[in-house]
Amino acid sequence: ETGVTQTPRHLVMGMTNKKSLKCEQHLGHNAMYWYKQSAKKPLELMFVYNFKEQTENNSVPSRFSPECPNSSHLFLHLHTLQPEDSALYLCASSQDGSSGRYEQFFGPGTRLTVL
Amino acid sequence: EDKVVQSPLSLVVHEGDTVTLNCSYEVTNFRSLLWYKQEKKAPTFLFMLTSSGIEKKSGRLSSILDKKELFSILNITATQTGDSAVYLCAGVYNNNDMRFGAGTRLTVKP
Repeated sequence: ETGVTQTPRHLVMGMTNKKSLKCEQHLGHNAMYWYKQSAKKPLELMFVYNFKEQTENNSVPSRFSPECPNSSHLFLHLHTLQPEDSALYLCASSQDGSSGRYEQFFGPGTRLTVL
Repeated sequence: EDKVVQSPLSLVVHEGDTVTLNCSYEVTNFRSLLWYKQEKKAPTFLFMLTSSGIEKKSGRLSSILDKKELFSILNITATQTGDSAVYLCAGVYNNNDMRFGAGTRLTVKP
């Protein structure tokens, strides 16, 4: 499989559940990103990992916990979420920033519903 | 304060029309500007613009960046129903900070 893949594609969870979103990129990139896309709001950058090191955390609540074990895989661990966290969560990857290649390739997203 | 502002927020045209979508951005630490098309799920890349005045073209789509006036436009000529989508503009700041605009929802009617 090529490009950026995300699993699961759809997730419904209760506020007390713990779940994880997975992203995998097959492009040989070194930077990976988590975005949140809510209805009628711009894409919001949540986390950035560059060479497995977290370089950005845009004031994301601690109920979202990212993990990047290697440059091909990125996880988003979820616990005690709120209904307002329901959104489309998109993963993206790009060449590392120092190379000047800023084009990001997106995965299909995980549609998350918190009940 | 929004770093990237797109206009209009929505647009309805008929097949064959030409449309111009606008994107203005904040200059501080600006590196480049990207355009994406989002139909259902994942945004797909259209153009990356880093230099002012150089038009990028791909078929019926073209885009240009004006670094003096801090804006970019995306033109679509002879629109087709398949062009219906949300068009996203994103400013790249520093190495990995991308800020997206709210998008322009384009609807092309037969």
